Amino acid sequence: GQQVMQIPQYQHVQEGEDFTTYCNSSTTLSNIQWYKQRPGGHPVFLIQLVKSGEVKKQKRLTFQFGEAKKNSSLHITATQTTDVGTYFCAVSTSGNTGKLIFGQGTTLQVKP
Amino acid sequence: DTGVSQDPRHKITKRGQNVTFRCDPISEHNRLYWYRQTLGQGPEFLTYFQNEAQLEKSRLLSDRFSAERPKGSFSTLEIQRTEQGDSAMYLCASSFRRGLQETQYFGPGTRLLVL
Repeated sequence: GQQVMQIPQYQHVQEGEDFTTYCNSSTTLSNIQWYKQRPGGHPVFLIQLVKSGEVKKQKRLTFQFGEAKKNSSLHITATQTTDVGTYFCAVSTSGNTGKLIFGQGTTLQVKP
Repeated sequence: DTGVSQDPRHKITKRGQNVTFRCDPISEHNRLYWYRQTLGQGPEFLTYFQNEAQLEKSRLLSDRFSAERPKGSFSTLEIQRTEQGDSAMYLCASSFRRGLQETQYFGPGTRLLVL
């Protein structure tokens, strides 16, 4: 079945440093979504990318979809303690079902 | 609060007991999903409904698991004869599909511990 690999698994940064997480697939993706899960919380939708080479920004967060639609990245500029949590990429399978296949997530710790 | 709600938030049970969880989706959403999440992993798809019809079930969903959405609104997930391996967070999500666009909104989850 479809899988997405996400790296790194953990990242510790000093507040103010940048952070990037990567999501890779061996197959071409129709779209990719990113979610954030705070410690003890539930996944919260951040963004969906559908076009080859697409770049979207949300304040300090930049999301990219690769040209071949097989990889994606989330980059956070100048991290803050509020960015702490686990970031998941997720892909929806082909067809009419919207079920999501999630990556393993990257857990971000930010030291103040 | 008009978000997805789940009840109970926590459940501790003994092995062999049956448990039932409830999910109330966002009212105008026609799709409802159940996922399971274990520590350090991303959510894994279990099953989903479009209105009251259960359209897909994962192979993860053994015969001990059953889900319903009787009137196309709230949904229940029942686990019979619980096993320690069932301990996990059970997440519900709802969505409204418009063309190719679909955003799933997750509830707070029910954390199950089987002793």
